[in-house]
Amino acid sequence: AQSVTQLGSHVSVSEGALVLLRCNYSSSVPPYLFWYVQYPNQGLQLLLKYTSAATLVKGINGFEAEFKKSETSFHLTKPSAHMSDAAEYFCAVSDLSNFGNEKLTFGTGTRLTIIP
Amino acid sequence: NAGVTQTPKFQVLKTGQSMTLQCAQDMNHEYMSWYRQDPGMGLRLIHYSVGAGITDQGEVPNGYNVSRSTTEDFPLRLLSAAPSQTSVYFCASSYGRRSSGNTIYFGEGSWLTVV
Repeated sequence: AQSVTQLGSHVSVSEGALVLLRCNYSSSVPPYLFWYVQYPNQGLQLLLKYTSAATLVKGINGFEAEFKKSETSFHLTKPSAHMSDAAEYFCAVSDLSNFGNEKLTFGTGTRLTIIP
Repeated sequence: NAGVTQTPKFQVLKTGQSMTLQCAQDMNHEYMSWYRQDPGMGLRLIHYSVGAGITDQGEVPNGYNVSRSTTEDFPLRLLSAAPSQTSVYFCASSYGRRSSGNTIYFGEGSWLTVV
């Protein structure tokens, strides 16, 4: 069974500082990994995804994530935080263990606050 | 592009009432699903469908029914609402039955309160 752990339910960083949101996964087969962002009172929007191509994945809004199989991690980073990055971020994993059907399992989310 | 459309956006129900959350997508996606989002618990899969006429249970299916009579629509029914079903519900869809890490697209959410 697949699962995702997001370390830190709340993260605060100063504007202009590095953003690091942590995600560890467990999967019995090679996984696909996603980061989604949710702005207040909105649905989820895909930031980036890893599908077994390049291990360093670049997404929208300057975010990127690196797949590290040895550490079973997929941490999300951004070099310089902007006020507009304040949102909740979800890491998710899916694999083909369920007879090839897409089944996405989410972490519990990390709320990112940007300090002016 | 409408994408994934959910209605209603807000609903208040009394315990024991029934209602249907509607979901429609215009992207010809075969895969559709319903999630609920609760504080500190992330999103949990309720039911999903891999095509018209095919549905299956997710992680938290109790108290919910679904059907998939067309590719476009995937309604979620609460037969007898309970306060524990107070949550934000998201419908989602993606292309293709056999996934290659296909992007899942989400609706805007439906806020349901059961009193």
